[in-house]
Order: sequence, then structure tokens, then C-alpha cells
Amino acid sequence: DQQVKQNSPSLSVQEGRISILNCDYTNSMFDYFLWYKKYPAEGPTFLISISSIKDKNEDGRFTVFLNKSAKHLSLHIVPSQPGDSAVYFCAASAPSNYQLIWGAGTKLIIKP
Amino acid sequence: DGGITQSPKYLFRKEGQNVTLSCEQNLNHDAMYWYRQDPGQGLRLIYYSQIVNDFQKGDIAEGYSVSREKKESFPLTVTSAQKNPTAFYLCASSIDPSGMSTDTQYFGPGTRLTVL
Repeated sequence: DQQVKQNSPSLSVQEGRISILNCDYTNSMFDYFLWYKKYPAEGPTFLISISSIKDKNEDGRFTVFLNKSAKHLSLHIVPSQPGDSAVYFCAASAPSNYQLIWGAGTKLIIKP
Repeated sequence: DGGITQSPKYLFRKEGQNVTLSCEQNLNHDAMYWYRQDPGQGLRLIYYSQIVNDFQKGDIAEGYSVSREKKESFPLTVTSAQKNPTAFYLCASSIDPSGMSTDTQYFGPGTRLTVL
């Protein structure tokens, strides 16, 4: 039972355009969401997070949007750069729960 | 400079053998974690530790064991009881054990274990 789903295994975007990565969740108790980025042969690195009291959080080129009614969040990268090519993981947590629940990841490829 | 190190990067093991994966951090973090990643799946938590000499099972602890004798070190042993041990193993740490699910986790580079 996958509580956090990233339905697109891969996404290809032209350099300079917007990249939109999607994440859906099923557990309505989740109240905190994170995005991590992972390069090959490296561990994931934290990118951006959002609490359920917000519907948007922005950090430079990265913006995360949360739609609680649809149980959906998305990560927007504008403009996309070659260094953004990586696997992006969405993760979620519920109150008083010790662990993050991770999606399977989306491989983003930025084309020159 | 501070960080998390995992060794070795690649590890091969014969069936029936136990093997220990190393994880060391010099970030002075209290909490440490072990995850497993399989193709097409998200990270799954094996064990976590909030403080020295204490650890708890995650979702997939069967066939694994850990110890936390020092704050800096959280080794993972993959035992012969683990039915499908071939995977990519990631160790992570975070500052505040009381905020384990929201506190940013810092990851090591991972160990790829292959059982022959």
C-alpha cells in the first residue's frame, strides 16, 4: 500500500523551461511534506518542505504547492537548468510519527 | 568538513554470510537512520536510533540488526536471515530526535550490496 505516489518515473524538460514534478498521497493525516534530490551514487539531499498550514512555499527557483483537498503536491523548478537533472523524491509525515514515508522518485532529465 | 560517510561503496556477499555496513557522522547529530532503496520504490526505513544505546525497528527490520554504542556510529548488519538483501542502503542523520519526521535528514553516499 503506497501512501505516497510519484506516478511519473521520468520527466524530460527543455533547459530554461518549467519542470513540474507531482506527488499524490492517500493518508489525510500527513501534515508535513518534503522534497529531496538525488544524484547517481550519492545520498538524497534536502530541497524544500511545506507544512499543511500553507499551500505554497518558495525557495529561489523551487516552489512547492500543496492542495490538501486533492491530496496532491507539486514541485516547480523555474527555470530548469542542466544541474537539475536528478531523481526527485517526495516524502510525507504525520503528527507524532517517527518516520517519513517516501515516494518512488521521478527522474528529471533537463535537455540542452 | 562535516558529513556522513558510508563504507564500503560496493559490497559483494555470498549467500548465507552476515555482512556489516558502516555509517559514521561527525555532524554531532543525535538521530541516525538506515534505509533501503530498491528499484522503482521509495526509501524504506530499516532501523532508527534517537540516542546512544537505543534504537527502534522501522518497517522492514527483519533480517537486520544495528548497534549504537557511540553517537557518531550506527553500523547495520545484514544477516543471513534477510531473504532478499541485494539493494542500495542509505544511512542518514538528523539533529533533533524529537522532531524526527520533520527535521531535515542528511544522507551518506550509500552502499550497494550485491548477494552472489
